[in-house]
Amino acid sequence: EVQLVQSGAEVKKPGESLRISCKASGYTFTNYWIGWVRQMPGKGLEWMGIIWPGDSDARYSPSFQGQVAISVDKSITTAHLQWTSLKASDTAMYYCARPKLGYNGFDIWGPGTLVTVSP
Amino acid sequence: SYELTQPPSVSVSPGQTARIPCSGDGVTNQFTFWYRQKPGQAPVMVMYKNSERPSGIPERISGYSSGRTVTMTISGVQAEDEADYYCQAVDSNNIWVFGGGTKLTVL
Repeated sequence: EVQLVQSGAEVKKPGESLRISCKASGYTFTNYWIGWVRQMPGKGLEWMGIIWPGDSDARYSPSFQGQVAISVDKSITTAHLQWTSLKASDTAMYYCARPKLGYNGFDIWGPGTLVTVSP
Repeated sequence: SYELTQPPSVSVSPGQTARIPCSGDGVTNQFTFWYRQKPGQAPVMVMYKNSERPSGIPERISGYSSGRTVTMTISGVQAEDEADYYCQAVDSNNIWVFGGGTKLTVL
């Protein structure tokens, strides 16, 4: 069964760093892009970026370029989303997701990681 | 990048047909995808390539494209269809874009 399992909820303070993870299983990790989507409380979905695990080629939405870093560790079939200095406005649910093969749309989603940034 | 515009809300009675439009320049050149999200849950793809259904999605969910608008249709709406629905496409710079979402209410 294809699965994306995300790391648990985080509570951090402004200025702190954070890395959340997305563990993929049930398919060949290096054959599919993997992306991240933000959903702020009570708001819609926002595409943050996507990465090709084969060579770590990462593409970012202009809205998130320079604000986060997307990476992968092929040895453990895991993708990461990282912040170096969190802001209160980073409080949101973050989903990792895998595109349907051959298409630019996500057919497999992780359950989400809730990140809360509060003084 | 471009924007995809959806109505904030659509309301229908059980058994009726719900139509949720998604408008934008990009939908004329790229495939559009649709997702359903229920409260507290991750999104689920309910349509790809404008009108194709993933396995497990009922036939009463369909889609069509006309000009700058792609529309998802849910026939014979049931209470279980109540959710937020998002369209998504990709712009010419390979930036993925979501519509603002439509809350479907079953009266």
